[in-house]
Amino acid sequence: AQSVAQPEDQVNVAEGNPLTVKCTYSVSGNPYLFWYVQYPNRGLQFLLKYITGDNLVKGSYGFEAEFNKSQTSFHLKKPSALVSDSALYFCAVRHYGQNFVFGPGTRLSVLP
Amino acid sequence: GAGVSQSPSNKVTEKGKDVELRCDPISGHTALYWYRQSLGQGLEFLIYFQGNSAPDKSGLPSDRFSAERTGGSVSTLTIQRTQQEDSAVYLCASTPWASGSYEQYFGPGTRLTVT
Repeated sequence: AQSVAQPEDQVNVAEGNPLTVKCTYSVSGNPYLFWYVQYPNRGLQFLLKYITGDNLVKGSYGFEAEFNKSQTSFHLKKPSALVSDSALYFCAVRHYGQNFVFGPGTRLSVLP
Repeated sequence: GAGVSQSPSNKVTEKGKDVELRCDPISGHTALYWYRQSLGQGLEFLIYFQGNSAPDKSGLPSDRFSAERTGGSVSTLTIQRTQQEDSAVYLCASTPWASGSYEQYFGPGTRLTVT
């Protein structure tokens, strides 16, 4: 069965510092991996995805993520955090022919 | 273009009543998903429609929950005899499956409160 772990409930980072939100997954075969962001009182927005190809994928708002097959990880990163990046972040995985499975979410707080 | 829309945005109902939640996906999107999100929590998959295939109902928590999708477009999630534990935000998402683009586009959600 597919599963997604986000080991940190909360990540705090100072504005201007790099940020990392961690995600590990368990799925047989080649996964499709996604990151979504949920701002307060708003729906989820797609940030980026890995389907195939280059392990480093770039997405919206300056975010990027690196697919690491050996570590079964897909950590979300940004070189310089903004206060406006404060939100709830969800990692999701989909394997061919199956449904999406979302992680429990990580709340990111960027402190001014 | 228009995104995924859901109605109502908020619904307060008494325990034991039935409710219907509506989702209008993005035009042309063949896949439609329903999720439930409890306060500050992750997403719980409920049901998935893909084209004309039989829906995947494996996430529905009980037989009080049902959903249909008419004409491959609008979907309605029905909860019968609501219970307080049904209180949550119900999210709908659609995907343009045929293009090979698998990202989901989410609606704003319906906040259901069962009193």
